[in-house]
Amino acid sequence: AQSVTQPDIHITVSEGASLELRCNYSYGATPYLFWYVQSPGQGLQLLLKYFSGDTLVQGIKGFEAEFKRSQSSFNLRKPSVHWSDAAEYFCAVGPPNFGNEKLTFGTGTRLTIIP
Amino acid sequence: DVKVTQSSRYLVKRTGEKVFLECVQDMDHENMFWYRQDPGLGLRLIYFSYDVKMKEKGDIPEGYSVSREKKERFSLILESASTNQTSMYLCASRTGGGDYGYTFGSGTRLTVV
Repeated sequence: AQSVTQPDIHITVSEGASLELRCNYSYGATPYLFWYVQSPGQGLQLLLKYFSGDTLVQGIKGFEAEFKRSQSSFNLRKPSVHWSDAAEYFCAVGPPNFGNEKLTFGTGTRLTIIP
Repeated sequence: DVKVTQSSRYLVKRTGEKVFLECVQDMDHENMFWYRQDPGLGLRLIYFSYDVKMKEKGDIPEGYSVSREKKERFSLILESASTNQTSMYLCASRTGGGDYGYTFGSGTRLTVV
């Protein structure tokens, strides 16, 4: 069965500093990988996704993520965080085919930004 | 843009009540999902549907049922609400093929007293 681990429950970063959120997955093949962001009181918004090809993917709001097959990881990065990036971030994995499949989500990482 | 609308942002219900959470999407998506979100547990799938009148159990279906009579509407039903069903409920939809991305509603925060 597929699974996702986000080892950091809560991260605090100073505004303007760089950010890396970790995500490790377990799956027999290369899955489809996603990062979502949830602002307080809101639903989840897709930041970026990886299906195949270039292992470094760019997303919205200046985020990027790198797929590393050897480490089964899909870490999210941002070079310089803004106060508006404070939110909860979820990594998700899905099977590598089309159709009526579902995603499995990690438990989330809450990001706090300090001035 | 696809829109997923959940009818209530906040609900307070009494133990034992039958509760209906409604979700409507406007982009003719085949697949719809109900998740429950709790601190430290992330999102857990309750039920999903890949077509009208079709439903599949997710990881935590106990105490819940669903209804999908029309393609755009997916309802989550708590047959007899209990305090341990106090949670944030998120609805999502996606097209049945191609792009995999889910579109989420804003969530319903349900409190059972």
